[in-house]
Amino acid sequence: GAVVSQHPSRVICKSGTSVKIECRSLDFQATTMFWYRQFPKQSLMLMATSNEGSKATYEQGVEKDKFLINHASLTLSTLTVTSAHPEDSSFYICSAIVGDSYGYTFGSGTRLTVV
Amino acid sequence: QKEVEQDPGPLSVPEGAIVSLNCTYSNSAFQYFMWYRQYSRKGPELLMYTYSSGNKEDGRFTAQVDKSSKYISLFIRDSQPSDSATYLCAIADTGNQFYFGTGTSLTVIP
Repeated sequence: GAVVSQHPSRVICKSGTSVKIECRSLDFQATTMFWYRQFPKQSLMLMATSNEGSKATYEQGVEKDKFLINHASLTLSTLTVTSAHPEDSSFYICSAIVGDSYGYTFGSGTRLTVV
Repeated sequence: QKEVEQDPGPLSVPEGAIVSLNCTYSNSAFQYFMWYRQYSRKGPELLMYTYSSGNKEDGRFTAQVDKSSKYISLFIRDSQPSDSATYLCAIADTGNQFYFGTGTSLTVIP
């Protein structure tokens, strides 16, 4: 089946540094990818929709200058958390729609801890 | 009012039990209904997808949708310890906007 590969799976960084998370679609092209964050015991919250070759669409309340999204190819989208702070510590997950089917295919997630 | 409401549990059952997981939603425009399973520190994986009222069965899993009551359920028969995970319901409208429940944590005790 279709696979979305996400890495790193976990990262610890110092406050004020930037972290890049990669999301790759394997064996299929993803013109659209989605980025979510998930706090403990809470639901997935959509942060932004990443479109290949164009600017990402951010959800209300998500700082586009802090969470930089680049979707430079049909198989790769990246999320860069800039000037990370402890409150950015969370579980970040990407996903993509495969073909015409509903139900996203998700990456395995990235656990970000900012110290 | 949230678009999707889901009891977070936790739910603990003995091995072999029938598990019932439920969500309610607020908008009758929602047309696509999904259940995801998420193991600890992993991304969600799609278990079931349906778009009509009624039941859909896949092995030990049955998804049930009642559009008139805006209520969806996931039943797990003969539950196994490997079913221990968080189960998320997700609902989408025709505009491809997804809404997720908060997830129900399930533990199946051997």
